[in-house]
Amino acid sequence: DTEVTQTPKHLVMGMTNKKSLKCEQHMGHRAMYWYKQKAKKPPELMFVYSYEKLSINESVPSRFSPECPNSSLLNLHLHALQPEDSALYLCASSQDRDRGWYNEQFFGPGTRLTVL
Amino acid sequence: LAKTTQPISMDSYEGQEVNITCSHNNIATNDYITWYQQFPSQGPRFIIQGYKTKVTNEVASLFIPADRKSSTLSLPRVSLSDTAVYYCLVGLDTGRRALTFGSGTRLQVQP
Repeated sequence: DTEVTQTPKHLVMGMTNKKSLKCEQHMGHRAMYWYKQKAKKPPELMFVYSYEKLSINESVPSRFSPECPNSSLLNLHLHALQPEDSALYLCASSQDRDRGWYNEQFFGPGTRLTVL
Repeated sequence: LAKTTQPISMDSYEGQEVNITCSHNNIATNDYITWYQQFPSQGPRFIIQGYKTKVTNEVASLFIPADRKSSTLSLPRVSLSDTAVYYCLVGLDTGRRALTFGSGTRLQVQP
C-alpha cells in the first residue's frame, strides 16, 4: 500500500466553525507533513512531524493546530479560519532519514477547503 | 533557503523530448535535487532524484553538471498526459530547504 489518504475531499466551513482534516498512511513512514496550496501557486510547507513529534512549524497561525496521534495518522484541526485560508491542503509522508539518502514524499490528493 | 529558478511555462507537442532546466546556484555540498510532477487538483508525485551526473528511470532522466548549479529534467517523447506542473526542489532529507517548492514549470503538451 503506497497510498496517502485524506478526508474529507471537500470541506466548506464558516469562520466560527471547528473542523478537522485527517490524513492516513500505512507505509511505515515516520515523517508526515502538511502543506497549503493556493490556486496556481506551489505547495507551501506548514508543519512537519518526525516520529510523532512536531519538528517544523513554519510560523503557521494558531487557528491551525496539527496533531499526530500515532505513526499512521495526522490531523489538522481548524478553528476560526478566515476566507483567505481557503486552499487545497495536502498531506504527505516519507521515510525518516536514512543515512545519506533523501526521502521521497508521497502526497495525498488533498482536501479542498472553502471558508465562507 | 536554497532558491530554485525554473521557466514559468513551456509548450511542446506529442512525441517530442522536453527538457526543463532548474537553476540552483547556492546548492550545498550534501543537497540532493528532486523533481515532482503535479496534475490539477492532485498532490505532487515524485519523478526523479539525483546528486550528480545523470540519473535515469522509467519516466525521465535527470542531468546534473559537475558544478551542480543547475539540473535538467528530460521527458522523452511526451504525451498529452504529461501536461502538468513540474517542480524542482533542492535540499537534504526533511529539512526546510528540501521541502520548499519553487514556482514550478507549467508544461502544456499539444496534439
